[in-house]
Amino acid sequence: AQSVTQLDSHVSVSEGTPVLLRCNYSSSYSPSLFWYVQHPNKGLQLLLKYTSAATLVKGINGFEAEFKKSETSFHLTKPSAHMSDAAEYFCVVSDPPTGGYNKLIFGAGTRLAVHP
Amino acid sequence: DVKVTQSSRYLVKRTGEKVFLECVQDMDHENMFWYRQDPGLGLRLIYFSYDVKMKEKGDIPEGYSVSREKKERFSLILESASTNQTSMYLCASSSRAPGNTIYFGEGSWLTVV
Repeated sequence: AQSVTQLDSHVSVSEGTPVLLRCNYSSSYSPSLFWYVQHPNKGLQLLLKYTSAATLVKGINGFEAEFKKSETSFHLTKPSAHMSDAAEYFCVVSDPPTGGYNKLIFGAGTRLAVHP
Repeated sequence: DVKVTQSSRYLVKRTGEKVFLECVQDMDHENMFWYRQDPGLGLRLIYFSYDVKMKEKGDIPEGYSVSREKKERFSLILESASTNQTSMYLCASSSRAPGNTIYFGEGSWLTVV
């Protein structure tokens, strides 16, 4: 069965310092992996996705993530945090499409705080 | 841009009331979903629909039903609301293309008192 573990429920960084949000997954298949961001009182917005192409995936707002099959990891990084990055981040693994539908398995989320 | 619209952002309902949460998407997507989001539990799938009038149970369908009479609209129904259904409800949609992205609405906060 697919599962995803976000290793930190809260991460706190200073503005201008690097961000690392960690995610490990388990999958019997070649997974699709996503990172979504949720700002307060908002829906989820796609940051980036991996679907078996390049292992280093670049997303919006300067975020990127690297798929490491040997470590079953898909950590999210950003070189320099901005105050507007403060939000909750979800790592998501996807079952292979069945009948055109891919079931998403969500991690519990990591809340990122950015301090001045 | 894809737009998924949840018409009610904040609702307060009484125990036992029937509650309708409406969702509309404007990208002609075949798939639509209802999730529930609770602190520490992430998102959990309630129901999804892959075509008009078609529906499948997700992980936590108990106490909920859905309706999809038109392709663009997917409704979540709480037949008799209970306090343990107080939560944030998120609607989403996607196409059937491989590796498809799921697009989310802004959520509906439901409080049952």
